[in-house]
Amino acid sequence: GEDVEQSLFLSVREGDSSVINCTYTDSSSTYLYWYKQEPGAGLQLLTYIFSNMDMKQDQRLTVLLNKKDKHLSLRIADTQTGDSAIYFCAEMSPQTGANNLFFGTGTRLTVIP
Amino acid sequence: DTEVTQTPKHLVMGMTNKKSLKCEQHMGHRAMYWYKQKAKKPPELMFVYSYEKLSINESVPSRFSPECPNSSLLNLHLHALQPEDSALYLCASSQDPGLAVTQETQYFGPGTRLLVL
Repeated sequence: GEDVEQSLFLSVREGDSSVINCTYTDSSSTYLYWYKQEPGAGLQLLTYIFSNMDMKQDQRLTVLLNKKDKHLSLRIADTQTGDSAIYFCAEMSPQTGANNLFFGTGTRLTVIP
Repeated sequence: DTEVTQTPKHLVMGMTNKKSLKCEQHMGHRAMYWYKQKAKKPPELMFVYSYEKLSINESVPSRFSPECPNSSLLNLHLHALQPEDSALYLCASSQDPGLAVTQETQYFGPGTRLLVL
């Protein structure tokens, strides 16, 4: 199956680190993604990680992948009020001709000034 | 440039109307996607076009009709919609389906917010 689960809400204080977690079920997933969605807007690609990696860092963002446990996390260092948004993890399962993205439920991050 | 544009930004239509949503990308991507997103829910895949051919239709009702006139454009024609079809409709594109997975990353447009009365 392609169940992707996330906790619904996370609140952090400005300047603290945020950690958003995601679990997935499809062991054939090739890429795992993090997208950010601000209110009323589309999805902004933040970062992705290939399934044969266990960590990827990109400025304030760190992605950790535990393939054995099918657990993915996104750490945002020095969280700012502009980081308040919904964060979706998504897994890609290979298919012939096109690749499907399966999204998690989304985590609403609220940054308290 | 990783921009996908969508028009209109907002659309209000009656159940007897016919309207179209448009999506455009100039990144040379050969796969384009329509997603539907209800409030407080993740996006759900509707259609995938790969090299201008419909490759995936996720059992979407026929009142939604996709069209891919060329590799840069994707339309979604709407007819006789129901109030429950009100949602944010997102378009996405990716470089080249079926090849290296590095080219599968999907880039999303800002969406069209549709309200059916």
